[in-house]
Amino acid sequence: DAKTTQPPSMDCAEGRAANLPCNHSTISGNEYVYWYRQIHSQGPQYIIHGLKNNETNEMASLIITEDRKSSTLILPHATLRDTAVYYCIVRRSYGGSQGNLIFGKGTKLSVKP
Amino acid sequence: EAGVAQSPRYKIIEKRQSVAFWCNPISGHATLYWYQQILGQGPKLLIQFQNNGVVDDSQLPKDRFSAERLKGVDSTLKIQPAKLEDSAVYLCASSFRDRATYEQYFGPGTRLTVT
Repeated sequence: DAKTTQPPSMDCAEGRAANLPCNHSTISGNEYVYWYRQIHSQGPQYIIHGLKNNETNEMASLIITEDRKSSTLILPHATLRDTAVYYCIVRRSYGGSQGNLIFGKGTKLSVKP
Repeated sequence: EAGVAQSPRYKIIEKRQSVAFWCNPISGHATLYWYQQILGQGPKLLIQFQNNGVVDDSQLPKDRFSAERLKGVDSTLKIQPAKLEDSAVYLCASSFRDRATYEQYFGPGTRLTVT
């Protein structure tokens, strides 16, 4: 089972920041927080991942709380093309079956003009 | 850099028929995954390969599903015989190595409809 809790849906106005929350209260010290998104009829797309520190790349920022029990994905200036299902996943650091991605149902983000 | 390639993109078959899907991962990626995504749900891992060896196939219905990765590059996933509940999108993904520091890259998927 997925180890994360996300709201089923969110709306965001175009051009505004989209803040997607994720709860992972049972996360352990060797587990990463991963974010993927899936645009309609496409395969999931990697966005960002982090362990303890906040991370930023060209797509988004990931803010992880100090106790690591929750995180927020921030899309700084949402566009209509950011409409997608966003998955927050906790993933163990070592490989093999224990390090696999386990997808939940994610958050359906709708960006509106 | 070319992405993960999959074919066909769509397939419609009748129940009890067989079907095969093909995946070509990103060049140099040692780890390859097959996922099943039923409508309205997140992808579920079916099998993971490291080079040409199976790492995890615990969720593969082995009575009807099989997969191989000859020479550690391309992979095929086969269903024989298909059931109605096999209707889903089958996604292939690859990563450089089998570590959480390496992200997985997904292909566009094959949408299978079993009638």
